Amino acid sequence: DAKTTQPTSMDCAEGRAANLPCNHSTISGNEYVYWYRQIHSQGPQYIIHGLKNNETNEMASLIITEDRKSSTLILPHATLRDTAVYYCIASNTGGFKTIFGAGTRLFVKA
Amino acid sequence: DVKVTQSSRYLVKRTGEKVFLECVQDMDHENMFWYRQDPGLGLRLIYFSYDVKMKEKGDIPEGYSVSREKKERFSLILESASTNQTSMYLCASSFYRAAPGLFGSGNEQYFGPGTRLTVT
Repeated sequence: DAKTTQPTSMDCAEGRAANLPCNHSTISGNEYVYWYRQIHSQGPQYIIHGLKNNETNEMASLIITEDRKSSTLILPHATLRDTAVYYCIASNTGGFKTIFGAGTRLFVKA
Repeated sequence: DVKVTQSSRYLVKRTGEKVFLECVQDMDHENMFWYRQDPGLGLRLIYFSYDVKMKEKGDIPEGYSVSREKKERFSLILESASTNQTSMYLCASSFYRAAPGLFGSGNEQYFGPGTRLTVT
């Protein structure tokens, strides 16, 4: 799995969009970008994944740059319940050796 | 919705006891995983299984064993619990979507709520 780099923490105002960046400059052509989040004292929750194209689901949008060296997870209208640690992972190993780094701690403030 | 359940949310055991942590998934997933999570160390993979009776060591298998007798159930066993095994234990499962040898899309993992184990 390619190494990913994320900011340690970010703040966001409630109701505003939260944009979480991730750098994966060594990503290989067959590696997907996955995002998970972990709310305090719970197991991680899968959010979204993508290869080249931008993706959107009911939880979030994923924007991947054309060179695939970075991506941004967008929570369009952040709520207090979105306060969590967000993990960005680049993987092609079927999850067998998924590496969860330190992630970004997102604080959504009222 | 995928459901991954773990047998206990909180568990307290004594040093030297044999401990069983059970995980059950209801989505017919081929792959199952056991992680532990410790402050400052993130999630670390202990063991995974890609089929019934099949298992592979992860990054930190020492002191642990696993059992997968049925597709939906993956057990983590601490043969003789020690205080350094006090941790949050997380089980996950995923659906193997790609042909053998090909990996990528759709291999997202679904996690259980975790078991916080304290060994005294």
